This record gives sequence, C-alpha cells and structure tokens, in this order.
Amino acid sequence: DTGVSQDPRHKITKRGQNVTFRCDPISEHNRLYWYRQTLGQGPEFLTYFQNEAQLEKSRLLSDRFSAERPKGSFSTLEIQRTEQGDSAMYLCASSTRTRYYEQYFGPGTRLTVT
Amino acid sequence: GDSVTQMEGPVTLSEEAFLTINCTYTATGYPSLFWYVQYPGEGLQLLLKATKADDKGSNKGFEATYRKETTSFHLEKGSVQVSDSAVYFCALTRGANSKLTFGKGITLSVRP
Repeated sequence: DTGVSQDPRHKITKRGQNVTFRCDPISEHNRLYWYRQTLGQGPEFLTYFQNEAQLEKSRLLSDRFSAERPKGSFSTLEIQRTEQGDSAMYLCASSTRTRYYEQYFGPGTRLTVT
Repeated sequence: GDSVTQMEGPVTLSEEAFLTINCTYTATGYPSLFWYVQYPGEGLQLLLKATKADDKGSNKGFEATYRKETTSFHLEKGSVQVSDSAVYFCALTRGANSKLTFGKGITLSVRP
C-alpha cells in the first residue's frame, strides 16, 4: 500500500495559464476527494467522486475548475485561466465507501500563481 | 451550513505538560467528529474519531469525547512529547456525502 500520491508536488505558473494536477488514490478506495487549503486555514472541500461519478461539487469550484476520474482510478483537477487567488495547496484524499469517515490524504500539490 | 471552530493558536508547551485544544461545531443532525494531525513535511493523518454522542476517540495518548450538549470535541493529552509538535485540525462529516468540514487548525510546539 503506497498511500495516496499527488503529482506534481509544486507548480508555479503565470496568471492566465492552465494547470492540471493528478491524484492516485489507494487502490481499493472507491471514493476520492479534492480539497483546497490556503495559508492559515483548514482544508475546504471542492468535490468528490464515487468510482467515476462526480457526486458533489462545492460552490468554491468555479467554472474554471474541472475534475475527472476516468475509469474510477486516478483523478485530475484542471484549473483554466489561473488567477492569483488560486494559489493554494490542493489536497487529494481517498476512502472506501463504507468507512468514508477515514479519509487518507496525499501530500498535496502546492500551486503558486505569479 | 456546517462549521467547526477551534481555539486560536499557536500553542507552546513544555514536554510532559497537559494539553487541551478546544473544538466546537455547528451542524444539524448527528455529525461524526474527527481530529486530524499534520506533522511537519507530511500529509494530513486521521488521529482519532467519534461517530456518536458520548463516544470517546483515542489514539497515541490523545483523547476526545463527543459532547452533543455542548457541541464540543476537545482534544486532550496528559503528557505531551516533542514529537507531538504538529498542526491539529478538528473536523466533522455529516451524512453519506462524507465531505469533511475542517476548523482552521492550531499549531502545537512542544519544547524539550
């Protein structure tokens, strides 16, 4: 069990560029979550998948954000036309459906928009 | 909506001191409550949980009791160690959607 992995760990981009992050959950976990964490704050929920179905999206997830989980395995989070306010740590977590309260977090992708 | 409020930090203690970190919540229904910990350079880890009123979660010497009457889930440890230095987050989840709502977190530093 290698845990939840995220790639890249750090991303610096210029305002207006598109970025894509990847998350690989624990293999037997069918639920996958994305959170965003800004400095001095706790993580905030963005969206979650059960298998390949995206079941909930936060109002924080503007139309510039899109997430996918093809085939119910890894997931990608894309941000289009990045803004400085998008600078944050993007966290991925996974869980089983029955033990949904035990979410295992990846190390995060730190995005800096200049 | 649901919310979690944690006491303001940071907190600095000497080794072997007693620790209390306050957490209160606002949520309808019967949330499950959690403490997550983030050690320096590592990802968030589940520390302990309680899924119904009066349950006590415990792990690594830490304890927290789900108090519905005071909507609280305070974290305690009788004797902290330098290795407990980390950021601690209180969180809740409610219902089958299972999204976590976190507090702001509090940084604990333990001096030798």
